[in-house]
Amino acid sequence: QQPVQSPQAVILREGEDAVINCSSSKALYSVHWYRQKHGEAPVFLMILLKGGEQKGHEKISASFNEKKQQSSLYLTASQLSYSGTYFCGTEHTGKLIFGQGTTLQVKP
Amino acid sequence: EPEVTQTPSHQVTQMGQEVILRCVPISNHLYFYWYRQILGQKVEFLVSFYNNEISEKSEIFDDQFSVERPDGSNFTLKIRSTKLEDSAMYFCASSGELSYEQYFGPGTRLTVT
Repeated sequence: QQPVQSPQAVILREGEDAVINCSSSKALYSVHWYRQKHGEAPVFLMILLKGGEQKGHEKISASFNEKKQQSSLYLTASQLSYSGTYFCGTEHTGKLIFGQGTTLQVKP
Repeated sequence: EPEVTQTPSHQVTQMGQEVILRCVPISNHLYFYWYRQILGQKVEFLVSFYNNEISEKSEIFDDQFSVERPDGSNFTLKIRSTKLEDSAMYFCASSGELSYEQYFGPGTRLTVT
């Protein structure tokens, strides 16, 4: 069952903050976050593992609430380069199931 | 920086034909995946592959699909008899360990006419 993301779309001005939420009806083992720009492949942002461990490559933060089966991605002081579609994915034994995506548009 | 590569970048085929999509994962990665993305929709998991075996597959991955690692570097997805609804972008991905970040290739756009 795919995770559900909210909101579906966000429009921001440069420098503003955004939060993207991801929730699942099933127990979460790990949550992955990816960003996809139009016409390109998804690019890894962050993994949150059960137990609180996080692995990420960019200055983006996220939270993982195992009890509520939710994760949130925090984008602070957004830049034009943050524009794209953000997907959360719930993963178990290598099977990564993505949500429907949240489209983020950052305007100057 | 090592990257996943895919060929061809665009494949056009007629309905009922067989296609093979090719991927070269990152060289020291052990886990390999195929995903597809229909235009404007989300990325959908097809199959994961480890130790020369399928480890997980989705409902989409029916008998028309197969995967193979014919040598030490290539990872292929074969669609035996393509249908119009197989038209999509197909992404290959690889990871060094289970539950680690997956690196996606640039994709192959498959158009079935």
